[in-house]
Amino acid sequence: IVMTQSPATLSVSPGERATLSCRASQSVLTNLAWYQQRPGQAPRLLIYGASTRPTGIPARFTGSGSGTEFSLTISSVQSEDFAIYYCQQYYSWPPLTFGGGTKVDIK
Amino acid sequence: QVQLQESGPGLVKPSQTLSLTCTVSGGSISHGSYYWSWIRQPVGKGLEWIGRIYFSGSPDHNPSLMSRITMSFDTSKNQFSLNLSSVTAADTAVYYCARVPIGSGGYFFDYWGQGILVTVAS
Repeated sequence: IVMTQSPATLSVSPGERATLSCRASQSVLTNLAWYQQRPGQAPRLLIYGASTRPTGIPARFTGSGSGTEFSLTISSVQSEDFAIYYCQQYYSWPPLTFGGGTKVDIK
Repeated sequence: QVQLQESGPGLVKPSQTLSLTCTVSGGSISHGSYYWSWIRQPVGKGLEWIGRIYFSGSPDHNPSLMSRITMSFDTSKNQFSLNLSSVTAADTAVYYCARVPIGSGGYFFDYWGQGILVTVAS
């Protein structure tokens, strides 16, 4: 399953809302996770099951969608949110597949 | 709090075997509630799943790499390992080990190591 993320880069000002998209080449139901990767760091799990936040993830991160269309919304972007975000499907594997990433940078 | 730490050589010659180890602390790898995985990321690029291993089952691999991969456990050291044979420059990447929680409804990665850069060059 091919995962396509858009846009490749999203420029936002601190405090603004950011919406990232992820599209699957076929339905993955809600078997989708989102990760945040800050420069020089490992990815961090933000969302699983398309919309569930693990303990400790701020409520400003919201995941939605099912089937082939998904989104990650950051309600009010903070300085620590400038990073690259990846989606990952786990409906059909091997192989597990990731999207190419969306970089959120400062406008 | 579980922690994962990759270790191994940072430089491997072409055609040789890349060998990495992931040491897990804060929990037992033979607990049975987790799979243990490897993921890699070429510098400046996206993420590629390599494979997973379970303490009492057969490993699963990315088909694109399957013939070159060996994964194993050392429960006495609370470690798991990756061997990737016949490496080329295309295998140059940051390699991560990660944990997959079984029973959480899916195959996603809730804890990651910090990553180790492996360069394939002569």
